[in-house]
Amino acid sequence: QKEVEQDPGPLSVPEGAIVSLNCTYSNSAFQYFMWYRQYSRKGPELLMYTYSSGNKEDGRFTAQVDKSSKYISLFIRDSQPSDSATYLCAMSADRDDKIIFGKGTRLHILP
Amino acid sequence: NAGVTQTPKFRVLKTGQSMTLLCAQDMNHEYMYWYRQDPGMGLRLIHYSVGEGTTAKGEVPDGYNVSRLKKQNFLLGLESAAPSQTSVYFCASSYVSGSNEQYFGPGTRLTVT
Repeated sequence: QKEVEQDPGPLSVPEGAIVSLNCTYSNSAFQYFMWYRQYSRKGPELLMYTYSSGNKEDGRFTAQVDKSSKYISLFIRDSQPSDSATYLCAMSADRDDKIIFGKGTRLHILP
Repeated sequence: NAGVTQTPKFRVLKTGQSMTLLCAQDMNHEYMYWYRQDPGMGLRLIHYSVGEGTTAKGEVPDGYNVSRLKKQNFLLGLESAAPSQTSVYFCASSYVSGSNEQYFGPGTRLTVT
């Protein structure tokens, strides 16, 4: 079983819809969870950062962590064409530990 | 601030040629990283550095060497390029105690023929 699993997509949704992106993981030691957004031909940029379980909201984005199920989610409300990108989940066991990235999900928001 | 910059942006090499990729950051970060990104493989760590003068191997270090002579620069070398090293290379940096929040450069697209 891979350490981090992420559906590569592509996922196509109409503008204005709620988007749900997910990752599962196998290492119960992971405590720090991140979502990076990567536009085409650009480097990844940190979008959301959470520690342990729970929810974190930032504007239209909500990150959710369920450590008991080893499952994390990113929700995008009122999706916009500018949200079209690849979203990579990432996680680590400690703040100074190496980050393990998912392979990314390609998202297309259709105008 | 320019953040993290990478040179060059594109390069085509022939098998057996050598080259050096340069990464520079102006955020005074201690940690720097080199990743490669391939379709269906995600980001894979090649080498990293926890400070000036130090380097360590990541997940896929074979065929690459690195140097961190100055805190702001991290160099990735390919001594004898192979077609399997065709990839997009990303450099990243982070604060010493916050390696979770990595700042990425724009990438270098390398093709080895």
